[in-house]
Amino acid sequence: NAGVTQTPKFQVLKTGQSMTLQCAQDMNHNSMYWYRQDPGMGLRLIYYSASEGTTDKGEVPNGYNVSRLNKREFSLRLESAAPSQTSVYFCASSDRGQYFGPGTRLLVL
Amino acid sequence: QKEVEQNSGPLSVPEGAIASLNCTYSDRVSQSFFWYRQYSGKSPELIMSIYSNGDKEDGRFTAQLNKASQYVSLLIRDSQPSDSATYLCAVTSMNTGFQKLVFGTGTRLLVSP
Repeated sequence: NAGVTQTPKFQVLKTGQSMTLQCAQDMNHNSMYWYRQDPGMGLRLIYYSASEGTTDKGEVPNGYNVSRLNKREFSLRLESAAPSQTSVYFCASSDRGQYFGPGTRLLVL
Repeated sequence: QKEVEQNSGPLSVPEGAIASLNCTYSDRVSQSFFWYRQYSGKSPELIMSIYSNGDKEDGRFTAQLNKASQYVSLLIRDSQPSDSATYLCAVTSMNTGFQKLVFGTGTRLLVSP
């Protein structure tokens, strides 16, 4: 099992550009999450999907949208990237604990 | 007051010693508690979970939970340089399935040879 996979691993964007971060899990988990991690701020929840077909805002949703494409896949979209969105983005899925993907490092210039 | 608090460290211990990492939480209805290890530049890795008061042991790791004091700790016995990482405490009010975890900012552990 690959667990949780994310693409891309690295991305550089210019302010105003858009992009979609992809996440997939093969553990048959119902719940999936998107976090960002910034120095000194810890992990902050952006959006989550408790089950296929549902999505909800987390702590820091502004500037992001998500799509739960099916049970396996949960994508995060930045419609108009801003320098404040420079961060490391992690996707996770859960049963009794949350399991994280390898992350996407995003730099917005 | 932060919901989950950890000392940022670094906590420095010599190789072979016991490392003790502590975490306090504010939500009394919390039911599930997790410890994650995160190496620099890598993603968090789940290493321990605990759901009831007392101790839970897994190899060199022991998690301790005291719900009355709202306190959870992680002990690492026979610490190795490879244990040097940031340890994140996470808490949720859900036991399984959908879990809205609240993370602490982590304690950095340095194990010196």
